Amino acid sequence: DQQVKQNSPSLSVQEGRISILNCDYTNSMFDYFLWYKKYPAEGPTFLISISSIKDKNEDGRFTVFLNKSAKHLSLHIVPSQPGDSAVYFCAARYTGNQFYFGTGTSLTVIP
Amino acid sequence: DTGVSQDPRHKITKRGQNVTFRCDPISEHNRLYWYRQTLGQGPEFLTYFQNEAQLEKSRLLSDRFSAERPKGSFSTLEIQRTEQGDSAMYLCASSPSGLAGNEQFFGPGTRLTVL
Repeated sequence: DQQVKQNSPSLSVQEGRISILNCDYTNSMFDYFLWYKKYPAEGPTFLISISSIKDKNEDGRFTVFLNKSAKHLSLHIVPSQPGDSAVYFCAARYTGNQFYFGTGTSLTVIP
Repeated sequence: DTGVSQDPRHKITKRGQNVTFRCDPISEHNRLYWYRQTLGQGPEFLTYFQNEAQLEKSRLLSDRFSAERPKGSFSTLEIQRTEQGDSAMYLCASSPSGLAGNEQFFGPGTRLTVL
């Protein structure tokens, strides 16, 4: 039962342009959402998060948007840089500190 | 290096053998998580400790899987009677408690191959 879905397995963007990564979820009880970035041969690294009571959180080049009615969140990276090339996972927290992860989107930023 | 460490990084075993993995969290973190990740998938939650208490274990994959954190510091994940389907990356993560505890710090993982 995939409760967190990332429907785009890959995305290519030109350097300097905006990258938009999308994530959908099914469980309305999720109360916290996170994005992680993963390089090969490393564990995921926390990037940015948002509480379910907010609709936007910004940290430098990274902004996460949450649309609770649509059960959808997105990560915007502006401007995209070649070092942003990695796999991005969205994750959602359920009660009892159980976390559900999406399947990931591989972002390639083309110089 | 004060990050999360996991040992071993790679483990090859034969079907039916038992394996044990170790995770050393960031020292001041009292929450510890185990995940499994298979190819093309995201991390799959297995279990969670708050200090030495295992607060969630219903999502351990079967009764062949068990985890301990006896003194609230390092943790071990054991898989008994391994099967080929257990081949995966096993990730450990830690976090502090409180609001910051949603943000987990992951180790590099242990890659298990069951022949």
